[in-house]
Amino acid sequence: DAGVIQSPRHEVTEMGQEVTLRCKPISGHNSLFWYRQTMMRGLELLIYFNNNVPIDDSGMPEDRFSAKMPNASFSTLKIQPSEPRDSAVYFCASRDGIGPGEAFFGQGTRLTVV
Amino acid sequence: GENVEQHPSTLSVQEGDSAVIKCTYSDSASNYFPWYKQELGKGPQLIIDIRSNVGEKKDQRIAVTLNKTAKHFSLHITETQPEDSAVYFCAAHDYKLSFGAGTTVTVRA
Repeated sequence: DAGVIQSPRHEVTEMGQEVTLRCKPISGHNSLFWYRQTMMRGLELLIYFNNNVPIDDSGMPEDRFSAKMPNASFSTLKIQPSEPRDSAVYFCASRDGIGPGEAFFGQGTRLTVV
Repeated sequence: GENVEQHPSTLSVQEGDSAVIKCTYSDSASNYFPWYKQELGKGPQLIIDIRSNVGEKKDQRIAVTLNKTAKHFSLHITETQPEDSAVYFCAAHDYKLSFGAGTTVTVRA
């Protein structure tokens, strides 16, 4: 398996633009997570899906952020409109099952909003 | 929700020495405690984990201990090597993973 695949690896956009980050989880995994990593706040959980259904979105910063999982093999995280403070590395991770166990992370998307 | 604290934030050790990172958690319902290693430009990768019914686990040069009563757990790396240089994160799982702030480990040759 190729692991969790995220695209793009790097994204530079202007403030106010819409940004869409993409994730393909490991085949067969039914839990998917979006994390944001910054120097100030570390690794923050934004949203958690199980069987394509959002279970916990309490970490989504504000209404500018939205996430979808239309099927078991694809998820998106959208920011509209983007702001400079959204600059961070965004990671997607997937896991087999709902209980505790290893979460596999993608390589991340480095987002820069100028 | 779960709150995980991790210390120290940076750690510099001489090659061959041991490194110890400590974490505390707040939610007694947490039952799974993984440790992740993150190298530059990559996503975190699991290196070892421990469940709440176990007090200690070892995998070659890496060991983790858990004290449920005190709500703390530690990572021990023995005989450190340059390739151990990375950022290490502890985490605790109640129904989701909450991460500590990370420890930047530098192994001096």
